[in-house]
Amino acid sequence: ELKVEQNPLFLSMQEGKNYTIYCNYSTTSDRLYWYRQDPGKSLESLFVLLSNGAVKQEGRLMASLDTKARLSTLHITAAVHDLSATYFCAVDLTGNYQLIWGAGTKLIIKP
Amino acid sequence: KAGVTQTPRYLIKTRGQQVTLSCSPISGHRSVSWYQQTPGQGLQFLFEYFSETQRNKGNFPGRFSGRQFSNSRSEMNVSTLELGDSALYLCASSLGGGVQPQHFGDGTRLSIL
Repeated sequence: ELKVEQNPLFLSMQEGKNYTIYCNYSTTSDRLYWYRQDPGKSLESLFVLLSNGAVKQEGRLMASLDTKARLSTLHITAAVHDLSATYFCAVDLTGNYQLIWGAGTKLIIKP
Repeated sequence: KAGVTQTPRYLIKTRGQQVTLSCSPISGHRSVSWYQQTPGQGLQFLFEYFSETQRNKGNFPGRFSGRQFSNSRSEMNVSTLELGDSALYLCASSLGGGVQPQHFGDGTRLSIL
């Protein structure tokens, strides 16, 4: 059974700081997704990572994938308050959008 | 371009009843997935449809079923509702192929009394 573990589950940080969210998964997959969810809102796609060594960046967020280590990271650079949200990673079990989700990392960025 | 539309947004039912939720995907999207989100279990995959065919099903009892129509619209049905079925049900659509992100609707919040 595929398990997806995120850590930390909760992160409170100051604006301007850097931090990394980790996503470990337990079986082979080369398709990993990162999503953001604001309170009371739906999910917004951030990144799709499709191969070993993939790195994608958007603004202050950068995601990477190491399929050999079964690890993805979401790095936040110089955090700003607007990045406060819950971040989810999800692994595609079959390649047909059978996504198995991490528990989410609730990120609070204090001004 | 219109996003993924889910109806209704909120629903209150009682135990033993059944419910049907609807999802209209983004125009041109042929893959539709359904997820259940609860505080305790998080996000869980229910099923995925592509061109009217269910390709994958998650680990949910047979009370949960779905279908997809020729216009890619999808419905999910839950019969004999239980208190534990209270959740946010999310629908997501994509072009298919697994290399594009899924686009999510706002969800249907189902409360069971």
